Amino acid sequence: ETVMTQSPTSMSTSIGERVTLNCKASQSVGINVDWYQQTPGQSPKLLIYGASNRHTGVPDRFTGSGFGRDFTLTISNVEAEDLAVYYCLQYGSIYTFGAGTKLELK
Amino acid sequence: QIQLVQSGPELKKPGESVKISCKASGYTFTDYAMHWVKQAPGKGLKWMGWINTYTGKPTYADDFKGRFVFSLEASASTANLQISNLKNEDTATYFCARHPQLGYWGQGVMVTVSS
Repeated sequence: ETVMTQSPTSMSTSIGERVTLNCKASQSVGINVDWYQQTPGQSPKLLIYGASNRHTGVPDRFTGSGFGRDFTLTISNVEAEDLAVYYCLQYGSIYTFGAGTKLELK
Repeated sequence: QIQLVQSGPELKKPGESVKISCKASGYTFTDYAMHWVKQAPGKGLKWMGWINTYTGKPTYADDFKGRFVFSLEASASTANLQISNLKNEDTATYFCARHPQLGYWGQGVMVTVSS
């Protein structure tokens, strides 16, 4: 099973800042990584698919990158609505989620 | 528009069974596989597996082999998840999500297992 390790577990930010969330795969998964955002009480929402492609309607302040084992999600100019838990998901080998990164207000 | 509407919350006792549903609309049901995802209270997302909605063939993640069954009512554009011999650790919200890229999700079904 491919393990996805997300870091940090949580991070504090201020509105308007830029943050980078990381996801590392235990083996190469090519570009087969998506990123999801989940706010409390809500279903997850797809942000990025195929490592770097924004899903329909996702603001361009969300940017995904990476290949192989290392992947990042960058949020530029953080807005209040971005405070959420972010999960990476790999589908290079079956499917596995990372444990999530909680983005909080400083 | 594309929607996945899941059935309502369930309260069950250990050892009982539960069947939850996910009704799709806004697209051709058999064109896209359906995934199932578990989220225990306060915990992260766990991929359970998926079902090919054209052939009906299910694929289960290792932790969900045995007591978990994915099925279809294709004529009703509905995917089902049945869990048998419920355990306390099955208490969770269960989501359905449409392939590819899990771009569309149901609202989730809270299943509570308690004696």
